Amino acid sequence: GQNIDQPTEMTATEGAIVQINCTYQTSGFNGLFWYQQHAGEAPTFLSYNVLDGLEEKGRFSSFLSRSKGYSYLLLKELQMKDSASYLCAVSESSNDYKLSFGAGTTVTVRA
Amino acid sequence: DTAVSQTPKYLVTQMGNDKSIKCEQNLGHDTMYWYKQDSKKFLKIMFSYNNKELIINETVPNRFSPKSPDKAHLNLHINSLELGDSAVYFCASSPQDRPLHPYEQYFGPGTRLTVT
Repeated sequence: GQNIDQPTEMTATEGAIVQINCTYQTSGFNGLFWYQQHAGEAPTFLSYNVLDGLEEKGRFSSFLSRSKGYSYLLLKELQMKDSASYLCAVSESSNDYKLSFGAGTTVTVRA
Repeated sequence: DTAVSQTPKYLVTQMGNDKSIKCEQNLGHDTMYWYKQDSKKFLKIMFSYNNKELIINETVPNRFSPKSPDKAHLNLHINSLELGDSAVYFCASSPQDRPLHPYEQYFGPGTRLTVT
């Protein structure tokens, strides 16, 4: 089974930085993904971590600590278009490619 | 160029009816998925096929039956629809050319199913 926790909502100001935390307790671990989902749209891939440390991709970075069962997504220089839901997802097994998703964090960017 | 497409985008139907949702991907991916996203936005895996073979079958009522005629298509048929089936259903696909490596999944636009 799996338990993936994220805050429900966060609000930040345009130009600021927001950090979305994700903690997980899963039976196995084969990588962690972050997805972005705008209201009424499909989730789109943002980042993937399988080793400990920070992965940077432009304004977005993702961090993983496997020993702590913890990841965060860092959004820098926030723009209005970053208002969306951010989903943390864990791949538990190398056998079935299944992703278990957290409930998502809705980020609202204010002017 | 649509990567993962689903039809229909909206589906409104009455309890007890049978309906199908179609999914196609033109990415050449080997693996396809069906997810259900409920009103609380929780995205949950239902099924996955790899090269037309069922590899994930979560605890889903057997009223739901996936069918993969070829590796580019994965359809979802639902019998005897119930009110609780109302949700957004997403199809997704991923490449799988490296064993043991989980790839990112590409999602279709979703089908919003409303059962009245």
